[in-house]
Amino acid sequence: DGGITQSPKYLFRKEGQNVTLSCEQNLNHDAMYWYRQDPGQGLRLIYYSQIVNDFQKGDIAEGYSVSREKKESFPLTVTSAQKNPTAFYLCASNKRQGDSPLHFGNGTRLTVT
Amino acid sequence: DQQVKQNSPSLSVQEGRISILNCDYTNSMFDYFLWYKKYPAEGPTFLISISSIKDKNEDGRFTVFLNKSAKHLSLHIVPSQPGDSAVYFCAASYNFNKFYFGSGTKLNVKP
Repeated sequence: DGGITQSPKYLFRKEGQNVTLSCEQNLNHDAMYWYRQDPGQGLRLIYYSQIVNDFQKGDIAEGYSVSREKKESFPLTVTSAQKNPTAFYLCASNKRQGDSPLHFGNGTRLTVT
Repeated sequence: DQQVKQNSPSLSVQEGRISILNCDYTNSMFDYFLWYKKYPAEGPTFLISISSIKDKNEDGRFTVFLNKSAKHLSLHIVPSQPGDSAVYFCAASYNFNKFYFGSGTKLNVKP
């Protein structure tokens, strides 16, 4: 079955440490996205990538970094510069043609203490 | 500035009745609109979409209406079922670009 895999489901880190969240898709989608959800809020775009080796900042990119070395993979690093890293992180992908909805993974809950 | 807004944080409906969820947007360039359903600690699931060349799209119990002049989108669920209880997000995009999401409406369907 095709889909998006995010791992791990829960992640705990100490303040000051960088942490990398994994996102892999086998849908052969061109574009991949990272969103963040905070309690009672909508999804806010962190970074997105429409082709391999290229990515753009979203609305809240400060304190985050990404890479897109393979079509299937779009890892997100939460750096120590991110002021409020505790959140639910969602990875998504879609085709870059026609009306193509985003398909989401099941998310990673990051807690930084 | 939020480009997609859902002004009702919650909605409660009796089983079997109609649920109407609303969404407003500000960017007239948006040409693709979507609704997602989300359970806690899970990723959103795509429900239904509509392109700006249409004003209505149906899929089973779900119908999405688009009023471009009012910049308003709505999702109708008929009949509502207890399993429909979840948070619903509307989203919009343009030119195959990034997607903007509303803040969500929590629907509770009472048996």
